[in-house]
Order: sequence, then structure tokens, then C-alpha cells
Amino acid sequence: GQQVMQIPQYQHVQEGEDFTTYCNSSTTLSNIQWYKQRPGGHPVFLIQLVKSGEVKKQKRLTFQFGEAKKNSSLHITATQTTDVGTYFCAALNTNAGKSTFGDGTTLTVKP
Amino acid sequence: GAVVSQHPSRVICKSGTSVKIECRSLDFQATTMFWYRQFPKQSLMLMATSNEGSKATYEQGVEKDKFLINHASLTLSTLTVTSAHPEDSSFYICSARGGYGTDTQYFGPGTRLTVL
Repeated sequence: GQQVMQIPQYQHVQEGEDFTTYCNSSTTLSNIQWYKQRPGGHPVFLIQLVKSGEVKKQKRLTFQFGEAKKNSSLHITATQTTDVGTYFCAALNTNAGKSTFGDGTTLTVKP
Repeated sequence: GAVVSQHPSRVICKSGTSVKIECRSLDFQATTMFWYRQFPKQSLMLMATSNEGSKATYEQGVEKDKFLINHASLTLSTLTVTSAHPEDSSFYICSARGGYGTDTQYFGPGTRLTVL
């Protein structure tokens, strides 16, 4: 089935540093979604990317979808302690109607 | 945004008992609901997909007789863990789709199940 690889698994940064997590697939994706899960919480939808080469921004967060629609990235500029959590990408299989989640990248921010 | 509730949030039960978890979409009709299981520090593992009024589709390796799923209405799906054992202890999360964004899944807050 469809597999989505996400790296790195963990990232520790000093507050104010940037952070990037990458999501890669061996197959072309119809779309990709990003979620954030705070410690002890549940995943919260952040954004969906559909178009090849798409770039979307949410304040300090920048999301990119690769030209070949096989990879995506989430970049956080100048991290804050409120950014801590695990960031998951999820690829939707439109035929099956279900999503495959990456393993997630857990971000910790040292004040 | 769309809100999904889950009840109970936490349950502790004895081995051999059955536990029912409810998932409700509060302000939209969910044509599809998903049940996930998440182990500590791991990703979400899809257990099954349920569509209102039809049988759930289980992922490979998930015992359908052990994890009974019912999606009786467009706002409610239930997961019953039958004859629970300690290895069933986990964080169970539901999500619902069919709200404001067609492909977007809205997650419930999760249920922490501990089987003694």
C-alpha cells in the first residue's frame, strides 16, 4: 500500500531557531495534509496541499508540495515554545478514501 | 471549525470486559468516520473505516470480531473493544470526514484505554 516516510523523527531546537520536517512518498500523491498533535492531545488539521509546487503560509509556518507531488515539507520560522508537538503528514488515497499518516516529527523547543 | 467529541476520554477496565467508545460529530454530518489506534510516541494506525449505514472496512491485521464498529447515524460511530486484554491498552482516536472540507479529517480528543 501507499507509504509515507517522514523525517526527522525528532528535532530539538533552541527557541528562535528554524525547524523543518519532510514527508516523502515513492508514489505520486493526490494531496497531502499536515496535522499537529500537542503532547497528550489529538491531531489537529493544519493545512491541505493539492497542486504541484504549491506553497502555503500560515504565519510562521510554510508548507510546500513538491513539483512531482511526491514530497512535502513544513517549515517553521523562529520557533516558539508553543510550537512543541508532533507534526504528521498524511497522504490521502482518493480511491480507497483513507489517509496514510507519516510517523511524525516530534519537535521540542528549549526556551 | 468542525467539532468531534469522543466519550469516554479515559477508561480503566478489567481484563475480559468489553468497552464501548463513542465518537460524535457535533456540528456536521460525517459520511465517513475513521478509527485509529496510537501507541506512545508512535504514529496513528488506521484500524477501520466506517460509512454510515454500511459495514466497516477493517485494515489488514485488525480483528473485526474484537473491535466492533457501528456507524448507525451520520453523527455517531461506536467502537466496542470486546473481551479486552492488557495488550489492547492504547489511545484510540476517531476522526470524521464530510464536514466543511471534503478531504479533511476532524479528530476527536481520543480515549485512553487501560486494561488491567
